Parts: sequence; structure tokens; C-alpha cells
Amino acid sequence: EVQLVESGGTLVQPGGSLRLSCAASGFTFSFYEMNWVRQAPGKGLEWVSHIDGSGSIIYYADSVRGRFTISRDNANKSLYLQMSSLRVEDTAVYFCARGPRVSSFWGQGTLVTVSP
Amino acid sequence: EIVMTQSPATLSVSPGERVTLSCRASQSVSGNLAWYQQRPGQAPRLLIYDASARATGIPARFSGSGSGTEFTLTITSLQSEDSAIYYCQQYDDWPPLTFGGGTKVEI
Repeated sequence: EVQLVESGGTLVQPGGSLRLSCAASGFTFSFYEMNWVRQAPGKGLEWVSHIDGSGSIIYYADSVRGRFTISRDNANKSLYLQMSSLRVEDTAVYFCARGPRVSSFWGQGTLVTVSP
Repeated sequence: EIVMTQSPATLSVSPGERVTLSCRASQSVSGNLAWYQQRPGQAPRLLIYDASARATGIPARFSGSGSGTEFTLTITSLQSEDSAIYYCQQYDDWPPLTFGGGTKVEI
């Protein structure tokens, strides 16, 4: 069974940093491109970042480019999102999703709250 | 960036009815369009990809159509568990992947 489990979300002050993790199981992780998608409270879905299976092709949304870094550890079947210079508007549930372009498998999400 | 616009924002319907949700793209996305269902407190669930192909395990009462800039998701014989927000997403021209603002279906 495919499973994606996010962790690392918490309350952080503006300007702070945080690293989110997504543990994958039930499939050959290195074969799949992965995405981070976020959802602000009461709002819609916003794509954040994408990484290919080897970690060599990476894309970011304009809203996070230069502040967030996506990475992966295929040996440990894990996806990461390093978030820095966090802003109040980064407050959201962050989902990892198996890609590349259409996601049939999603984690349950982890809540990041950026507040003074 | 391709902008996706969904309408209406909210639909109130009765069990057993048929509903049609609309999604419009700011430029052609060919058939590279997906629909997701999101129930409260849950992750999105893929319903339709390539505009009209049902994802694994999705009931036949869900169907998608359209191409270019105009797409529809039709749900026939609505059931109580279909209460959710429905999002369309284009993957023709990316990055970025872009989603519509969602249509909330209330039953």
C-alpha cells in the first residue's frame, strides 16, 4: 500500500526556518517524481515545488523560490522541504504528493503556522 | 502562468441529483486537466485525469469532459459522501502546476 506521511510542521516566527519531511512507503520511491502542495487555512491548493527521481530536476513556485529548498533521500525513501525566511503567508497545510504532474497519492499533510 | 477559473463557487443540491462543475483555463491546456475531490480535513483525492479518464477506484457516476479551455466534471446520482470541494488542475504548461479555486458541493 502506498503511504506518504508528512512531519515537521509547527508554529514558527516570521523569518524563521523549518524542515518538513515526507516518509514514503509501498512503492519504489526513486522511480517517482514528487511534489509539495500547500493549502492555506480555508483556501485552495497551491503547488509549491517539484523534484524528479534523481533529485537533479527541481522547480519552485515564484512565491517560494529562493526561500524554500526541496530535496530527497532515495535510500531512506524520504522527501524534504527546507523552508527559510518564513512569512505569515506561508501558513498552510503542506502536502507531499507523488507526481510528476497528476497526483494519485497524497499524504495527510502537516500544518505550518507562521506567527509572531 | 495558466490561470484556472472554476464556477460556480458553491452548489447546493439534493441527493440523487446530477451536477455539472465548470473549469476554464486562461489558455489552451489541451486535454491535460485533472479533477480532485477534497473532503473536510482530508487530502485531495484524484478523480479524473487527462480530462476524462477516471482514476483507479473512482465510481462511474463521476465523469469528465472537455478540451482546450473549457472542462466539466459531472456527478450523477449525488450521494451524501460527495459533499466536498472539487478542484481542477492543469498540467499542460508547467511549472507551475496550477489549480482552480474550487467548487464546494453541499448536499
